Amino acid sequence: NFMLTQPHSVSESPGKTVTISCTRSSGSIARNYVQWYQQRPGSFPTTVIYEDDQRPSGVPDRFSGSIDSSSLSASLTISGLKTEDEADYYCQSYDSSNHRDVVFGGGTKLTVL
Amino acid sequence: EVQLVESGGGLVKPGGSLRLSCAASGFSFINAWMSWVRQAPGKGLEWVGRIKSKTDGGTTDYVAPVKGRFTISRDDSKNTVYLQMNSLKTEDTAVYYCTTQTPLGWSPYWGQGTLVTVSS
Repeated sequence: NFMLTQPHSVSESPGKTVTISCTRSSGSIARNYVQWYQQRPGSFPTTVIYEDDQRPSGVPDRFSGSIDSSSLSASLTISGLKTEDEADYYCQSYDSSNHRDVVFGGGTKLTVL
Repeated sequence: EVQLVESGGGLVKPGGSLRLSCAASGFSFINAWMSWVRQAPGKGLEWVGRIKSKTDGGTTDYVAPVKGRFTISRDDSKNTVYLQMNSLKTEDTAVYYCTTQTPLGWSPYWGQGTLVTVSS
């Protein structure tokens, strides 16, 4: 079993760049793909990054994902911040042990002010 | 266009049962793995469980807090997946989302969610 830990909140100004981390408690972060979801208030989550660094069609290239195996962390970077990026962001990975497929991070509230 | 439409949520007393449905369209349901994810009020996302396609064995797995109480099933003739919830507890109160799920855990498509409230 492992957990994914995210900062509770981050804030940055419009036009700036922000990075949200997602740290795996045990085992290599590179062992299983990491996804990132955006959830705006009152709406369901949507994918901004899948399979570590892939963007679904329609997601702007201001969103990027990366993996740092040495630090057991994945990161979501959003550049050129816009007020519409203000949302909750969740990382997610896969755990095939103990028949538990999917693990979510606790979520990060991004404030753009 | 992929659509997932959940139904069946509502208010139920502790110890009661509820069955959620998720009607799918716009993709090959028979080949899809389907999952349920929940979100308690003001909290984060929690994976509840998953059912594989019959081609891949049709097996189910669940997160520990719901094992033995929740059951996921599917009816490929109706393009529908179900979540049977028994022995409900107040901590099961959440919005329940139906999602497609790839074998490596990604949920590309989500329904709009249905609210389950467990309260006396």
